[in-house]
Amino acid sequence: GQQLNQSPQSMFIQEGEDVSMNCTSSSIFNTWLWYKQEPGEGPVLLIALYKAGELTSNGRLTAQFGITRKDSFLNISASIPSDVGIYFCAGQRYNNNDMRFGAGTRLTVKP
Amino acid sequence: SAVISQKPSRDICQRGTSLTIQCQVDSQVTMMFWYRQQPGQSLTLIATANQGSEATYESGFVIDKFPISRPNLTFSTLTVSNMSPEDSSIYLCSVMTGGSNQPQHFGDGTRLSIL
Repeated sequence: GQQLNQSPQSMFIQEGEDVSMNCTSSSIFNTWLWYKQEPGEGPVLLIALYKAGELTSNGRLTAQFGITRKDSFLNISASIPSDVGIYFCAGQRYNNNDMRFGAGTRLTVKP
Repeated sequence: SAVISQKPSRDICQRGTSLTIQCQVDSQVTMMFWYRQQPGQSLTLIATANQGSEATYESGFVIDKFPISRPNLTFSTLTVSNMSPEDSSIYLCSVMTGGSNQPQHFGDGTRLSIL
């Protein structure tokens, strides 16, 4: 299936720091999504992006749909311990309801 | 969004046996999917569960190994057949509640270990 390249693979940061992660693809997607997964749970949708160039916020989270439709980034500002988890990007195309996932970014926040 | 319940939440099984995982949604949904998440890995789509017809399987997954049912718009099952230790994974159900291009929402998964 279509590969999404997500980076970084892991991050160890201090509480209060900002975080940035991104996802790139060799092909176009019509929708970019960001999910967070905590231990023992399924992925939870954080932000969905539907238009090239779109910039969307959800609290301290901000994500953008790249203008080329082949990339997206997620920023977390002023991190807190409960931000710990694995963040996945996902791309979705019209007429093809399945999604392709990035490998995930494992975030650790030190108090 | 829809409430998605998966059963069992976890199980430990003997090799060669089969296990059926259930996914129940509290409202009718347009699409249901089954994913596998191997330890420390990302999610891989197994199949799209089609209501009233055979599931659509992704490359590398076959009906004999992963039979799927979807008798109505709120329920689906995934069976992992003739299990081996390589089948130890998290199996996740997801649903799409709107039309095309809507996000998928996930259940909490079934954590399966095969001895």
